[in-house]
Parts: sequence; structure tokens; C-alpha cells
Amino acid sequence: QSVLTQPPSVSGAPGQSVTISCTGSNSNIGAGYDVHWYQQLPGTAPKLLIYTNAYRPSGVPDRFSGSQSGTSASLAITGLQADDEADYYCQSYDVSLTAYVFGTGTKVTVL
Amino acid sequence: EVQLLESGGDLVQPGGSLRLSCAVSGFTFSSYAMGWVRQAPGKGLEWVSSLSASGGSTYYADSVKGRFTISRDNSRNTLYLQMTTLRAEDTAIYYCVKAIAVAGLRTDNWFDPWGQGTLVTVSS
Repeated sequence: QSVLTQPPSVSGAPGQSVTISCTGSNSNIGAGYDVHWYQQLPGTAPKLLIYTNAYRPSGVPDRFSGSQSGTSASLAITGLQADDEADYYCQSYDVSLTAYVFGTGTKVTVL
Repeated sequence: EVQLLESGGDLVQPGGSLRLSCAVSGFTFSSYAMGWVRQAPGKGLEWVSSLSASGGSTYYADSVKGRFTISRDNSRNTLYLQMTTLRAEDTAIYYCVKAIAVAGLRTDNWFDPWGQGTLVTVSS
């Protein structure tokens, strides 16, 4: 079972903003380990969206932004577009498990 | 362009074995740690295993430890995952992933890019 908790779903109208939370513990995010985010479009492999809490790889629009505080991290999507409909996952490292851990995943729906 | 191409997925009976391969191109394979991440049908992502650039250090999720073996052939630019004593709960798409540096379990690591995945089905 995942040790990083995300809301199962979030939704918004085109142009609106949504935020996805990723809640961990003092053995992962709270211990200072970085959080990374992935976007998985329907039927495709995940793609890196945000690395090291807040950095965007080349080609990722600045509508996507990441932040981290305490035992949680967040992914914000502004100016929601139809092709943002996807599953989003956070990822970090857990020192107790000595393993990489993923969030439970959040489905974003554009109304 | 960096490319990761998995192969070897199949239908296998419980208790059986399977070897996955991941052929890579577009970067200096021997300079990067690599790994496998899986996704059960309709479920989330689960890290399975990683190994260092040289192949000398390997790491496994508790769910597969003792049953799966990760390895690489740097002369063939290929990553492998040998899976034994397979269980129904191992049914998943297995993705090959590239890490950011040499070390196999670097704590700040992220995965980029991902292969297209290969489906492993464990069923009688």
C-alpha cells in the first residue's frame, strides 16, 4: 500500500485552477526528501512533470507548479485545459522502507 | 532521443518465471542507474527495483525481494528483470525507467524517461 496519500479525484472547468495534495510522514517528505510528480495520460506511460519539489523539465508548461512544506507537497495546475485530463502521481524516498514510494494517484477531470 | 523499449511480458502460471528486457538508446547507458516500476491493472504505481550504473548494487521492494533479480548488460545497453515464483499479485504493466545518476538508490532520484511498458499476467 502507498505511503503517500493523494485525493482520488479533483475536477475543474476549463481555465480554472486545481491543486493536488500529497501527504506523507516524517520518514519521507517530512524527513526532507524531495518530491517529484508524474502525469499519466490515458493509455500511456507516466511522464515526469515536476522534479525536486518545484522544477519543471523542458517542455512542461508553467501552468504546472509544485511546492512542498512539512510532511506534504502540492501540485497546482492553472488555466486547466482538456488535455490535462490524466492521472497524477507524487513520488519520494522513504527512509524507513529504504525504498522509493509513490502516491495513491489523483485523477484530474476537466468538466 | 532517449528511448527505452521493454519486452518479454507474457501470460504465465502462478509459480512460474519470466525475464523482462529493456533495450535503451540515446544516452550513455553505463553512466546511469536504472530501474523497474510496475502498475497493476487499474491501480497506482509501485517501485519494484533499481540498480547502480555498474550493476554492482541492487535494491528491491519488499514485495519482490528474494523472487526478482535485476541486472544489466552495459555492452548490450540492456536492462533485465528476472522474475521467479510469480504470484497473481505480480500481474501488472512493468515499466523500465532511467534514474538521474550513477547510484542505484540515490534518495533524491526521480525517473525520466519511462518505457512504454510490458504486460505480465500471472494466471492459471
